[in-house]
Amino acid sequence: SSELTQDPAVSVALGQTVRITCQGDSLRSYYASWYQQKPGQAPVLVIYDKNNRPSGIPDRFSGSSSGNTASLTITGAQAEDEADYYCNSRDSSANHLVFGGGTKLTVL
Amino acid sequence: QVQLQESGPGLVKPSETLSLTCTVSGGSVSSGSYYWSWIRQPPGKGLEWIGYIYYSGSTNYNPSLKSRVTTSVDTSKNQFSLKLSSVTAADTAVYYCAKMRASWYFDLWGRGTLVTVSS
Repeated sequence: SSELTQDPAVSVALGQTVRITCQGDSLRSYYASWYQQKPGQAPVLVIYDKNNRPSGIPDRFSGSSSGNTASLTITGAQAEDEADYYCNSRDSSANHLVFGGGTKLTVL
Repeated sequence: QVQLQESGPGLVKPSETLSLTCTVSGGSVSSGSYYWSWIRQPPGKGLEWIGYIYYSGSTNYNPSLKSRVTTSVDTSKNQFSLKLSSVTAADTAVYYCAKMRASWYFDLWGRGTLVTVSS
């Protein structure tokens, strides 16, 4: 089992706001980064260092963190946002990396 | 623009060693700004970090795989490599190489290569 816990599936109506969460003790001390993965494709970084977006990522994607929980928020979800989303950070020892189990986002 | 491309056998027999190479183009594997990483994803499952290597040769591996993993960097070919020994069917996965920044996030991934372990 992963040291970062994500809900397996989340759904959102088109144009609405959705929050995807990632829980883990290491998140009290270290930032999470977030990746979007569409079927048959490699993951793509969407948020790093808590709330920074790489070039080309729409500003409807944002990140936040509180306590042991990091969140990825999509404000005004689009059909093309339907994908699997993974968080990653350090593990509880802080010496290694770990990914969350992933959240499948469905846009209704 | 930096690009990563994995290469290697798509089929490996049980108990043998899986060997993959990642070729870096548009950038240098000798850059001190990045850590060169391997990540895998079994079919229909989530991502698993395997490990990373720095251009200097220092490494960090997933404790669950550490006893079987070896990575290396070849600066002359601008490549880095992964070896995973004593493979079983559980090692069947898409293997990705990725570029990791100092804050431990992956800002560039290769397209991935499927490796199947089967006799």
